[in-house]
Amino acid sequence: DAGITQSPRHKVTETGTPVTLRCHQTENHRYMYWYRQDPGHGLRLIHYSYGVKDTDKGEVSDGYSVSRSKTEDFLLTLESATSSQTSVYFCAISDREGGNTIYFGEGSWLTVV
Amino acid sequence: GEDVEQSLFLSVREGDSSVINCTYTDSSSTYLYWYKQEPGAGLQLLTYIFSNMDMKQDQRLTVLLNKKDKHLSLRIADTQTGDSAIYFCAGVYGGSQGNLIFGKGTKLSVKP
Repeated sequence: DAGITQSPRHKVTETGTPVTLRCHQTENHRYMYWYRQDPGHGLRLIHYSYGVKDTDKGEVSDGYSVSRSKTEDFLLTLESATSSQTSVYFCAISDREGGNTIYFGEGSWLTVV
Repeated sequence: GEDVEQSLFLSVREGDSSVINCTYTDSSSTYLYWYKQEPGAGLQLLTYIFSNMDMKQDQRLTVLLNKKDKHLSLRIADTQTGDSAIYFCAGVYGGSQGNLIFGKGTKLSVKP
């Protein structure tokens, strides 16, 4: 298994509170991604990073921000959580541009009440 | 934008072959992937195929790519109950960003 650790794995939070999810990798891969998975929508890209301090938006980036201060860590922040952000969040890593090998973490289950 | 379509369900008997199909609208993807997801777990990369290939075989898995029809399939030989899961096809689009576009997944049920 690729060395990807997501934390926390499960979290319940209240509407309006900030939440940060962490993705940590031990593979020294350049590319990191945050996806969310929802019934009826499959997986959708939120944000991605192509290097330290280099990030860009994905398909569903509204309400989310990211930071990458070190190669191994990619943080996803919900500044003010809403119920529509209840989802399963997956981090992924890739070692090549275009990503011929993209590996996923185990997921973080977030419930916003 | 790109769209990736999969049938939602497939049911087979243990020992039979399973064929999971996927169609896509954008032929510019350089790689096409198959992932497996078991309940409560992450996505496991099963295999991938480069867009200039027609077929790739990896043990019990065979991937067929028909670029003309924009059709991708995953065949699992001698399907076992442990193969029961949701299978996602995905393509990389958006140039160098590595943006994976996923189908909604096919739930494979294997009956003993």
